[in-house]
Amino acid sequence: DAGVTQTPRHEVAEKGQTIILKCEPVSGHNDLFWYRQTKIQGLELLSYFRSKSLMEDGGAFKDRFKAEMLNSSFSTLKIQPTEPKDSAVYLCASSLMGPYEQYFGPGTRLTVL
Amino acid sequence: AQKVTQTQTSISVMEKTTVTMDCVYETRDSSYFLFWYKQTASGEIVFLIRQDSYKKENATEGHYSLNFQKPKSSIGLIITATQIEDSAVYFCAMRGLTGNTRKLIFGLGTTLQVQP
Repeated sequence: DAGVTQTPRHEVAEKGQTIILKCEPVSGHNDLFWYRQTKIQGLELLSYFRSKSLMEDGGAFKDRFKAEMLNSSFSTLKIQPTEPKDSAVYLCASSLMGPYEQYFGPGTRLTVL
Repeated sequence: AQKVTQTQTSISVMEKTTVTMDCVYETRDSSYFLFWYKQTASGEIVFLIRQDSYKKENATEGHYSLNFQKPKSSIGLIITATQIEDSAVYFCAMRGLTGNTRKLIFGLGTTLQVQP
């Protein structure tokens, strides 16, 4: 089975731009997660979907971050408008429904100038 | 609120020795699940091993094992016969069953350097 795929692997944006990151979970997984990783804050949850329903949207990330699951095998994370402080690695992960281990994608490294 | 703490920022060991990485957690859930992940230099995050809170036996997986001390809210990762390729950042994480505890809470990680 293919693992979690993410595109693009790298993204450079100007401040104020809109960017869309993409994720395809492992086939058959019902839970999908978006995380942001920085050296200072570590791994922070942005959004959590179960069977395409949004379960949690990460509180502080609500205003400019919007994740969607268009179908069970595809999710997007939109950041609008981008700010330099959004520069980080964005990771997508999926798991079977329940308290199971998550499988991570390779991440998208975002740089906002 | 749930919290995971890894107090060791970095550890350096010689190849073929055994290393233990510490992790303590806070939760009000009666059942919860603990995980260790490894992040390689390329950025890839890989699942290593899991411990269910209701199981008394320590989980083992290859040369990884856990030291689960529930009364101390502690879940240490033990790597035996370390190899150069074990050099990475190791994250401890916890996940509950209900409400907002279903998300995975991560510690900040411990960097392991295995020296030849």
